[in-house]
Amino acid sequence: NAGVTQTPKFQVLKTGQSMTLQCAQDMNHEYMSWYRQDPGMGLRLIHYSVGAGITDQGEVPNGYNVSRSTTEDFPLRLLSAAPSQTSVYFCASSKTGGFIQYFGAGTRLSVL
Amino acid sequence: DAKTTQPPSMDCAEGRAANLPCNHSTISGNEYVYWYRQIHSQGPQYIIHGLKNNETNEMASLIITEDRKSSTLILPHATLRDTAVYYCIVRVGGNTPLVFGKGTRLSVIA
Repeated sequence: NAGVTQTPKFQVLKTGQSMTLQCAQDMNHEYMSWYRQDPGMGLRLIHYSVGAGITDQGEVPNGYNVSRSTTEDFPLRLLSAAPSQTSVYFCASSKTGGFIQYFGAGTRLSVL
Repeated sequence: DAKTTQPPSMDCAEGRAANLPCNHSTISGNEYVYWYRQIHSQGPQYIIHGLKNNETNEMASLIITEDRKSSTLILPHATLRDTAVYYCIVRVGGNTPLVFGKGTRLSVIA
């Protein structure tokens, strides 16, 4: 049982490049979400999903796309990276109606 | 979600109890109080949650005032490994997003 796995752990992009941050969980959780954390700040919600085929926007969705084709995976896509997207990204999951959210170790992204 | 107010930082001597306060004066009747912590930029970790009653688990105790407008997280015997940012969050239970503030940075000192 690996929990929530995020890949890659580190990534450097050039402005305008695209990439996908991967998030996978093996706990059969329906609810998954993506956060970003800037230095000295709390986490801010980007997108979330309450189940396969269902996604919704969070507080800071601009510049990011998500899809949820399976229960296990919730990838986050940056279509055209900008320096303002330099941040640490965390993925989280929980079971339906669950009180506890489990977080991954994070992906540290730098956009030059 | 209701807003919470936490002190930006606190110190605690190793082995002593750490008492972390949180104000949530606009909390609704169906909102729970949650505590998470984040150790050195790792992913946040769930600690405890409660609705009305005081709660205790292997990590901490949660004391909620009778009017539910504030709460205190208690780490009974703080260790150096408890140094972290602690987030107090109020939220309706279930599949709703966690809204993080800036939290309290707890430094446990030897």
